[in-house]
Amino acid sequence: SYVLTQPPSVSVAPGKTARITCGGNNIGSKSVHWYQQKPGQAPVLVIYYDSDRPSGIPERFSGSNSGNTATLTISRVEAGDEADYYCQVWDSSSDHPGVFGTGTKVTVL
Amino acid sequence: EVQLVESGGGLVQPGRSLRLSCAASGFTFDDYAMHWVRQAPGKGLEWVSGISWNSGSIGYADSVKGRFTISRDNAKNSLYLQMNSLRPEDTALHYCAKGGGQQLVHGFDIWGQGTMVTVSS
Repeated sequence: SYVLTQPPSVSVAPGKTARITCGGNNIGSKSVHWYQQKPGQAPVLVIYYDSDRPSGIPERFSGSNSGNTATLTISRVEAGDEADYYCQVWDSSSDHPGVFGTGTKVTVL
Repeated sequence: EVQLVESGGGLVQPGRSLRLSCAASGFTFDDYAMHWVRQAPGKGLEWVSGISWNSGSIGYADSVKGRFTISRDNAKNSLYLQMNSLRPEDTALHYCAKGGGQQLVHGFDIWGQGTMVTVSS
């Protein structure tokens, strides 16, 4: 089945920019969704179809996808952005089509 | 208010069965695909199964294929997961999640709070 690889952790100072990568074979040909999960809470969709934001998600969250890497960018990071982040794709050609990345813990210093 | 409420979790012995339910409200249930996603304690998210709006498309993770069956009752605004031959590695918080459209390809835009399944003797 398709594999998505994320860095285990990213640390960033308040007000700076955090970039979280999601690596997969030719991921640029697939649509990538991103989720934020805070401790003890259900995940929340923050980016869908590579770069679209659901209503209520701050403009500080943005996404891109090309080649073998998709990226979630959080600008002007705030303490409240500290959470686990997961990328996800739907691989229609696979018998196991729903795939999540390994997850990245974002720590605000 | 859009809401998903899971139920049916609990402690079960290996090899036994359990049926999870997800009650949906606040949106037109039969317009959207639905999914089950689970998270083992301290671990990441794992997609388990998904079903399209009209049950025409269904998918399963390799880890549950042949043991779990997803279904939906659009008249009751409900999603189900029949879990048979349970194993200790199925121990996880199981979330119900709404897809962003009729088919399975969309992201999961609404999540329930989850129901815990513990498989242990």
